[in-house]
Amino acid sequence: EVQLVQSGAEVKKPGESLKISCKGSGYSFTSYWIGWVRQMPGKGLEWMGIIYPGDSDTRYSPSFQGQVTISADKSISTAYLQWSSLKASDTAMYYCARYNPDWNWFDPWGQGTLVTVSS
Amino acid sequence: EIVLTQSPGTLSLSPGERATLSCRASQSVSSSYLAWYQQKPGQAPRLLIYGASSRATGIPDRFSGSGSGTDFTLTISRLEPEDFAVYYCQQYGSSPLLTFGGGTKVEIK
Repeated sequence: EVQLVQSGAEVKKPGESLKISCKGSGYSFTSYWIGWVRQMPGKGLEWMGIIYPGDSDTRYSPSFQGQVTISADKSISTAYLQWSSLKASDTAMYYCARYNPDWNWFDPWGQGTLVTVSS
Repeated sequence: EIVLTQSPGTLSLSPGERATLSCRASQSVSSSYLAWYQQKPGQAPRLLIYGASSRATGIPDRFSGSGSGTDFTLTISRLEPEDFAVYYCQQYGSSPLLTFGGGTKVEIK
C-alpha cells in the first residue's frame, strides 16, 4: 500500500524554527515528486512546492519562495518542510502528497501536520 | 499567472440529486493537467479525477469530469450521503507551476 505518514502536531512560538517530515512507503520514493500544500484554518488548499527525491530538484510557488525550505533524504524515504523563523500567520495544516507531473495528480496524501504558532 | 475560479461557492442539494461543479481558468489549461479532489471535514484531500475526465482508482462512476480549454466541470450524477464535502480543482502549467481553485462546498439541503 502506498502511504505517506507525516510527523505529529507542533506548537511553537513566533521566531522559532521548525522542520516537519513526510515518510513514504510502498513505492519507489525516488521515482515520484513529493508536494507540500498549506491549508489555513477554514480556508482552501495552497500549493507550496515540490521536490524530486531522486536528485533533490525543488520548485517553489512564488508565494512561498524564500519563506520555507523543502528537502528530502532519499536514504530514509522522507521529505521535509522547514521554517527558520515562524510567524503567527504560519498557523495551518500542512499536507504532503505524492505528485505525478505526467498526469498532474497528487495521490495519496499524508494525514496532515497541524502547526500552531502562538506566543 | 493562471487563476482557477470555482463556482458556486456552496451548492445545497439533497441526496439523490445531481451536482454540477464548475472550474474556470483565467488562461487555457491542457486537459491532461486538470484534476479534481474531494475533502471531507477533518480529512486530507482525496484524488477523484485527473486528466480532466479520468477517474482515480476506486472512485465510483457517479463521479465524472469533463471540459477543455478554460472551462471544466465535475458532475456527481446522484449524490450519496458521503459525497457532501468540499471539492477542489487543480492545474499544472505555467507560473505558478501548480494552482488550486478556491473550492466548492456541497452541503445537504
